[in-house]
Parts: sequence; structure tokens; C-alpha cells
Amino acid sequence: TQLLEQSPQFLSIQEGENLTVYCNSSSVFSSLQWYRQEPGEGPVLLVTVVTGGEVKKLKRLTFQFGDARKDSSLHITAAQPGDTGLYLCAGDSGGYQKVTFGTGTKLQVIP
Amino acid sequence: EADIYQTPRYLVIGTGKKITLECSQTMGHDKMYWYQQDPGMELHLIHYSYGVNSTEKGDLSSESTVSRIRTEHFPLTLESARPSHTSQYLCASSEVGFDEQFFGPGTRLTVL
Repeated sequence: TQLLEQSPQFLSIQEGENLTVYCNSSSVFSSLQWYRQEPGEGPVLLVTVVTGGEVKKLKRLTFQFGDARKDSSLHITAAQPGDTGLYLCAGDSGGYQKVTFGTGTKLQVIP
Repeated sequence: EADIYQTPRYLVIGTGKKITLECSQTMGHDKMYWYQQDPGMELHLIHYSYGVNSTEKGDLSSESTVSRIRTEHFPLTLESARPSHTSQYLCASSEVGFDEQFFGPGTRLTVL
């Protein structure tokens, strides 16, 4: 079973601070996705990265895929209360193998 | 509008009852999944399907069963619910060859 470890597990910060969430594995993935989940709802896709070393920006969110395609990071600049939620990474090994979800990072941004 | 639906959203039942959680998607996706998730925690895959008449067990052992008779429908059944089954159940679908999974809103199950 492929494992995706996320760190930190919990993060509580003040509005306006910056933060980085990490997603690490010993396995290589053909692509990696980041999802955000709000309480009582299902996860919603934020981004997919597919190329080693790739960097994608989505407004204040910056996503990076490691060169070896085994790890990824999510950086949020000037966090806002609306960023509060559970952030999940998910790795796809390609073909018909199922996607592996990470252990999750619960973020709370305090106004 | 293409979407994925789950019913009921909330369910409180007694021990020993048989229940079926419904999941339907209108996107024509071949791949569908069921996940179990405790509040704010990671997702555990319990069942998945790659198409009609295809069902597989996931990483987390589950006493539930699933069926896939139609592409759009992937119900999950618990023959005899127990308090240990209390959790949130999320259904998802994806298109073959694409990585993004589309999730339903979930069913929050409480077994007394």
C-alpha cells in the first residue's frame, strides 16, 4: 500500500500569516492532486500537478511537485478565514490503480 | 448540470438495522468509489468500481457491500449496522484516464 504522509496534521494560524503544508511519500506518482474539504461537505479539487518540479499558482495558493514526483507542497500566502478546512493530497500511480489519499492537514485561520 | 448525489445526508439508526446509502452521478463516469471518513480525518477507501458489474474492496476492511448494475448508480449496503459503523461515508466518481475525483456531499451515519 502506498502511503502519503502530510504535515503538519493540525495548523492554527492568525489571518495574514503564511503557511506551508507538505505531502510526502516513498512512492513515485504520475500525478498528484490537492483537495480542500469544508465541514459537512465532500473534498473539492484545487489543482493537479503532473510534471516533476512543476509549480502552479492559484491566487494566494502555490503548489509544487517534487522533482522525483514523490512529494508535494502547498504554500498559502496571507491566509484568510475562508482558507479554513481540511487539505488533502492524493497521488495517482497511473493506469487502473486507485488513487491514494494523504493523511490530511486541518487548517484553522483565526480572524 | 453534471453532479454527484448522495442520500440520505444524515441517518440515525439502531443497531442491527439494514441500511443502503445511495450514490448517483450524472457525468457518465466509469470509476466510482466509496470512502469512510471520521470528522476532519483522512479518507479510507472501502470499495471501488471501474464500471458496470465491477466491484473491488478497498484498503480498509468493511462489512458493507456494494453493487454496480448501472453506470450512474453505486449503492452501499450494511446488512446489520453497529455503533462501530458510525462515520461519514463519501461517494466519488472519476473518468478513466483523468485524475480528478468528484465527491458527493457525504452521508453522516450514526448507529445507536
